[in-house]
Amino acid sequence: DQQVKQNSPSLSVQEGRISILNCDYTNSMFDYFLWYKKYPAEGPTFLISISSIKDKNEDGRFTVFLNKSAKHLSLHIVPSQPGDSAVYFCAARNSGAGSYQLTFGKGTKLSVIP
Amino acid sequence: NAGVMQNPRHLVRRRGQEARLRCSPMKGHSHVYWYRQLPEEGLKFMVYLQKENIIDESGMPKERFSAEFPKEGPSILRIQQVVRGDSAAYFCASFRDANEKLFFGSGTQLSVL
Repeated sequence: DQQVKQNSPSLSVQEGRISILNCDYTNSMFDYFLWYKKYPAEGPTFLISISSIKDKNEDGRFTVFLNKSAKHLSLHIVPSQPGDSAVYFCAARNSGAGSYQLTFGKGTKLSVIP
Repeated sequence: NAGVMQNPRHLVRRRGQEARLRCSPMKGHSHVYWYRQLPEEGLKFMVYLQKENIIDESGMPKERFSAEFPKEGPSILRIQQVVRGDSAAYFCASFRDANEKLFFGSGTQLSVL
């Protein structure tokens, strides 16, 4: 039972354009959401996060939007750069569960074409 | 400040052997997670440990897998009698307290022949 879903396994975007990565979740108890970026043969690195009390968080070229009623979040990267090419994982946490574990989606491979 | 250190980076074992994966968390971090990533899959939670305690092992297979985080030294994920299905990337992550993000190591790629 996949509680965090990233339905697009891959995405190709032209350099300079906007990249939009989507994520859906089913567990209404999730209250904290994160995006991680992963290069081959490396561990995931934290990118940006958002609490369920907000609907938007921005950090430089990266913005995460949260739509709680739709149980949907998205990551916008603008402008996209070739160095952004990586696998992006959406993750969610139920802070009340006690173990603070993150539930990850399967990832979306972003390719930014120069 | 060194990040989360995992070793070995690559581990090859034959079926039936034991695999030991090590993780040293970031300095000052006393919480450690282990995650497993199978090919074409996301990261799956395995176990959450604090120093000398297993807090949540709900993601661990019931047999052959064990984890520890002793008072001194790294956290160890141990897989006994490995099978081909254990081949995966195993990631360790650490954090200092509940409100902080996880920092991941580079992972150990386990290959079972």
